[in-house]
Amino acid sequence: DVQLTQSPSSLSASVGDRVTITCRASQVIGNYLVWFQQKPGKAPKSLIYSASSLQSGVPLRFSGSGSGTHFTLTIDSLQPEDFATYYCQQYNIYPPTFGQGTRLEIK
Amino acid sequence: EVQLVESGGGSVQPGGSLRLSCVGSGFSFDRYGIHWVRQAPGKGLEYVGNIGINEGNRFYANSVKGRFTISRDNAKNTVYLQMGSLRVEDMAVYYCARDFKDGTFDYWGQGTLVTVSS
Repeated sequence: DVQLTQSPSSLSASVGDRVTITCRASQVIGNYLVWFQQKPGKAPKSLIYSASSLQSGVPLRFSGSGSGTHFTLTIDSLQPEDFATYYCQQYNIYPPTFGQGTRLEIK
Repeated sequence: EVQLVESGGGSVQPGGSLRLSCVGSGFSFDRYGIHWVRQAPGKGLEYVGNIGINEGNRFYANSVKGRFTISRDNAKNTVYLQMGSLRVEDMAVYYCARDFKDGTFDYWGQGTLVTVSS
């Protein structure tokens, strides 16, 4: 299975900050990568697909980049509603696999 | 509005069985594959398996292969996850999700909790 390693595992930031989360794959996955946001007690929500395409309705402060084995999720000007856990997920090779998650907390 | 609603969760003893249902609405259900993803309490997301448009197209994670079966009834807009020989480590919130781009997910249900305990 493709292993996805996210860094950092947790992150403290303030409203208005710019943050970047990294996801590294154990093998090449092209651009078949998605970023999800999950809030406590809720289902994950897709933010970015194909590594850099914004899902409909997702604010423009979210962006994704990367290909191959190295990917990033950037959030510009953090808003209070952005504090959540973020997961990357690859869909190039079955089974689909997830990173371990990055918890974004308010500083 | 696209909606997926899971049901059937509950408490079961190790070795027991349970069937989860996922009912879809607001889209052409028979044109989409459906996935199951689970999340153990306080843990990350784990892929369970999926069923394609054709019922013959199914995939299972190694952790559940031979114990879980996914099926669908398009007349009822429903996908089922039949879980058998349940283990403590199967305890989780189970989500169904609509396929997007053959391997990821655009819409998710709210999840249903399965507790496995003696």
